[in-house]
Amino acid sequence: DADVTQTPRNRITKTGKRIMLECSQTKGHDRMYWYRQDPGLGLRLIYYSFDVKDINKGEISDGYSVSRQAQAKFSLSLESAIPNQTALYFCATSDSLRQGAKDYGYTFGSGTRLTVV
Amino acid sequence: GIQVEQSPPDLILQEGANSTLRCNFSDSVNNLQWFHQNPWGQLINLFYIPSGTKQNGRLSATTVATERYSLLYISSSQTTDSGVYFCAVETLGTSYGKLTFGQGTILTVHP
Repeated sequence: DADVTQTPRNRITKTGKRIMLECSQTKGHDRMYWYRQDPGLGLRLIYYSFDVKDINKGEISDGYSVSRQAQAKFSLSLESAIPNQTALYFCATSDSLRQGAKDYGYTFGSGTRLTVV
Repeated sequence: GIQVEQSPPDLILQEGANSTLRCNFSDSVNNLQWFHQNPWGQLINLFYIPSGTKQNGRLSATTVATERYSLLYISSSQTTDSGVYFCAVETLGTSYGKLTFGQGTILTVHP
């Protein structure tokens, strides 16, 4: 099984619908992130969570919300999807100083390709 | 916020050739990572390298933090090296987690 699992892998939804993207990890990492990737724009941070009670907005949080249900689970919601939210969405995890980490390298999930029509 | 510039934007090689990818950043960093995104979209962490030099097989990376750049070396390239290479950084003084990504270098290796 993958260390970081995202579901669904692909999703087509209509404008105005609520949609949730889910992420779960078996790395035991404290930190989890949601990024979106658009062609030509690289990856941009939507939300991040350094532990279950610590959730923070990233660079482009408008139109999104998140929930950290457990250390291993971090979900991203689009409350009312719009076409410009069509993108590839990635969840990632990393270790923390609290856990004694010396390497803060990210582990990414396989991505969710979301199309809003 | 911190700016990250990668060069070249595109690179085309024949199998067996060597290449150097560069990442310049605008502020002091405590976290720098290189990633490879394969043609199927999967992102793989290559190096966590805020300073110094690391090697992993045919790949190596060097970060000169005082001069605000990092280099990724690919030797004896293979077609499986094709994809997009991203550099990502975090500004010194923050909390070791939130990365800012560059725009990437698209590498194509022909057989």
